[in-house]
Amino acid sequence: EAGVTQSPTHLIKTRGQQATLRCSPISGHTSVYWYQQALGLGLQFLLWYDEGEERNRGNFPPRFSGRQFPNYSSELNVNALELEDSALYLCASSLAGQGRNQPQHFGDGTRLSIL
Amino acid sequence: GEDVEQSLFLSVREGDSSVINCTYTDSSSTYLYWYKQEPGAGLQLLTYIFSNMDMKQDQRLTVLLNKKDKHLSLRIADTQTGDSAIYFCAETGAGNNRKLIWGLGTSLAVNP
Repeated sequence: EAGVTQSPTHLIKTRGQQATLRCSPISGHTSVYWYQQALGLGLQFLLWYDEGEERNRGNFPPRFSGRQFPNYSSELNVNALELEDSALYLCASSLAGQGRNQPQHFGDGTRLSIL
Repeated sequence: GEDVEQSLFLSVREGDSSVINCTYTDSSSTYLYWYKQEPGAGLQLLTYIFSNMDMKQDQRLTVLLNKKDKHLSLRIADTQTGDSAIYFCAETGAGNNRKLIWGLGTSLAVNP
């Protein structure tokens, strides 16, 4: 069974540009999560999508946004890129859970570098 | 507030047991997780424990939870060089907000 897949593996952008990161969840998983892993800051929760809707959002500015498609895949968009956005962006997926927490399974991430 | 703390480094000899410790502050945590991250890779879910359990064993892995002290540990028996990685402890609070709160990770070095 395929795990969570993310693309691209690496992305290089310059300040002010926009970046789009993509994620395909494990088959059967309807929830998708995005996390940022920046050097010195650890892992920070960004977004949770389920059934096409944003369910929870971390403490990030509005220029971080995303969406979930009918096939449960997801995109993370980062506008007006800043140097401090350089990080590994990790996507995870889980079963829906019917109101209970479910273990989150991660992809290998997209490394975003801002020059 | 929500906080998870781990020691940053641990060094063990091959064949010994490793014990990685974690403390958390959110008493309403329902699930506590251990993830492994190898260089250049994503996070691999190792195991998790529900807050009403004290212990969970899965092959070489043993998780102990002391809810009173808000202390979680991961014991790896017969540690191998392939276990060298960063190990993250994470918690999720009550309710269904799905937000994982992470420690900074413990870097485990296994020496031959």
